[in-house]
Amino acid sequence: QQQVKQSPQSLIVQKGGISIINCAYENTAFDYFPWYQQFPGKGPALLIAIRPDVSEKKEGRFTISFNKSAKQFSLHIMDSQPGDSATYFCAAKSDQTGANNLFFGTGTRLTVIP
Amino acid sequence: GAVVSQHPSWVICKSGTSVKIECRSLDFQATTMFWYRQFPKQSLMLMATSNEGSKATYEQGVEKDKFLINHASLTLSTLTVTSAHPEDSSFYICSAQKGLAGAYEQYFGPGTRLTVT
Repeated sequence: QQQVKQSPQSLIVQKGGISIINCAYENTAFDYFPWYQQFPGKGPALLIAIRPDVSEKKEGRFTISFNKSAKQFSLHIMDSQPGDSATYFCAAKSDQTGANNLFFGTGTRLTVIP
Repeated sequence: GAVVSQHPSWVICKSGTSVKIECRSLDFQATTMFWYRQFPKQSLMLMATSNEGSKATYEQGVEKDKFLINHASLTLSTLTVTSAHPEDSSFYICSAQKGLAGAYEQYFGPGTRLTVT
């Protein structure tokens, strides 16, 4: 059972465009929603994360939008650059106990065309 | 900062031998570390949760006797693949948890590429 559903599977965006990746979850106990960026042959790097007390968080060109009632969250990459081409994973966990692990989405392969 | 290292970054071993992978949190203490396995173009699959000073908790379907995990200190966890076989060839990634309850963040190592011949 996939705890976190992610779409699209792949995405091609022109340089300067906006990349949007969506995730949905079912477990209402989840209260921590990070996004990770992974380049080939490398480990995932924490990009940005949000907790449900806010509906939006922005860090540079990256923005997370969070809709608690719909149990959905999305990553927006503004002014997408070729260097953003990577695989992006959303994840979720219940943050109240440290032993709980992250549940990952299936990943989105982003290609930014120059 | 929150830096996690893994060693080695890649290893080739012969079938039947054992391989140890180290995961270190370099600038913070991690009471909990996680081990993942990732196949090409797929998501991360959690293998086990490692808590300092106690036995690891393995996910369903992961063989405890094959994938030995030791979390001897707050900055080091090791994964030993025993009697490795070609089907164990994969990308193994560890992560370390930083912070307190309600404010945890999880940071990943760079991964270890294991090839069993």
